[in-house]
Amino acid sequence: NAGVTQTPKFQVLKTGQSMTLQCAQDMNHEYMSWYRQDPGMGLRLIHYSVGAGITDQGEVPNGYNVSRSTTEDFPLRLLSAAPSQTSVYFCASSSQGATTYGYTFGSGTRLTVV
Amino acid sequence: GESVGLHLPTLSVQEGDNSIINCAYSNSASDYFIWYKQESGKGPQFIIDIRSNMDKRQGQRVTVLLNKTVKHLSLQIAATQPGDSAVYFCAENNNDYKLSFGAGTTVTVRA
Repeated sequence: NAGVTQTPKFQVLKTGQSMTLQCAQDMNHEYMSWYRQDPGMGLRLIHYSVGAGITDQGEVPNGYNVSRSTTEDFPLRLLSAAPSQTSVYFCASSSQGATTYGYTFGSGTRLTVV
Repeated sequence: GESVGLHLPTLSVQEGDNSIINCAYSNSASDYFIWYKQESGKGPQFIIDIRSNMDKRQGQRVTVLLNKTVKHLSLQIAATQPGDSAVYFCAENNNDYKLSFGAGTTVTVRA
């Protein structure tokens, strides 16, 4: 059982480049989320999904797009990377939302935009 | 706005001593709280949770206390071990789908 798998683990982008951060879970969880973590700060919610075909914005959605075509996958797209998007990104999933056991997190993608 | 925060950014503890990590929250409507542990280079890992209808909950070597009167949450770690060195986050449930996180407390265990 792999849990939540994120790829790549590390990535360097030039300003203006686009890329997709991949997230997959094999626990048949309905709820999935993307967070970013910056030094000295807690995790901030970017986008979340409560099921296939349903997504919504979190507190810092600007510059990011998501889609949820399957239960297992929840990719995060950066259309035009900016240095302000340098961060560590975590994907998380849950079977029952945030009200029971919270979320199970992946190991993160460390993104640097130069 | 309403947010979850931790009192101290760092905590240094002697191995074998008990650790207490504090967290203040301001959203009185929050009804579910979680403590996460994050080791270097890894994602946050669930430690223990508590609902607002409880004051205390115990796990293996960890205890979470909730004081709703002053909106305070704490995590107690008994007999702290080197493996407990990590960043600890409290998180509160805003609705069914979202968690709000505090800034974290870095715990360093001294041998």
